[in-house]
Amino acid sequence: GAVVSQHPSWVICKSGTSVKIECRSLDFQATTMFWYRQFPKQSLMLMATSNEGSKATYEQGVEKDKFLINHASLTLSTLTVTSAHPEDSSFYICSAADGMGRYIQPQHFGDGTRLSIL
Amino acid sequence: DQQVKQNSPSLSVQEGRISILNCDYTNSMFDYFLWYKKYPAEGPTFLISISSIKDKNEDGRFTVFLNKSAKHLSLHIVPSQPGDSAVYFCAAKRDAGNMLTFGGGTRLMVKP
Repeated sequence: GAVVSQHPSWVICKSGTSVKIECRSLDFQATTMFWYRQFPKQSLMLMATSNEGSKATYEQGVEKDKFLINHASLTLSTLTVTSAHPEDSSFYICSAADGMGRYIQPQHFGDGTRLSIL
Repeated sequence: DQQVKQNSPSLSVQEGRISILNCDYTNSMFDYFLWYKKYPAEGPTFLISISSIKDKNEDGRFTVFLNKSAKHLSLHIVPSQPGDSAVYFCAAKRDAGNMLTFGGGTRLMVKP
């Protein structure tokens, strides 16, 4: 149980393109979803936290107009990187939390999306 | 301010020997700790966790030790296998929330 699906796994696109990444909880309702970014050989940096039906809370230094997060349902959150540039190239990982506290893990992670902007 | 630190960026161990990965934290409000294993271009995989009311938790080859007074935890893998080669992250959680704070990771290389 507690499977999180993230799509796409790899995106290559031109500078200036907007890219949408989807994160779905397949077998549980995710009241909270988290979006992380990981640069090579670095740790996972939390970008934002979103609760279903409300606006996302962004960490300091993360541009909310650049990284649009939508959490419209209990099973789906999306991250849109708007007008992506090469410096946005990174590995993006989502995770989802089951609000019922049924699992020993507080968050369940997707497999990540590698974003490469040319 | 890094609240969770993994001071060793890398560790090399011979197959069959013990791997010990260390993690230190500064926030005394953390009450639950987890270890994740991560391969490049993949999401983290949960390994083992420990509550602050315990000092040891064991699951197969993996054992996590918690020393609250020292604000230190460690992950022991024995015997180490080449397939264990990956980056290991410790993470900490506080109170009833789901927010995790990650350490910087330790790259483990298990040599055959």
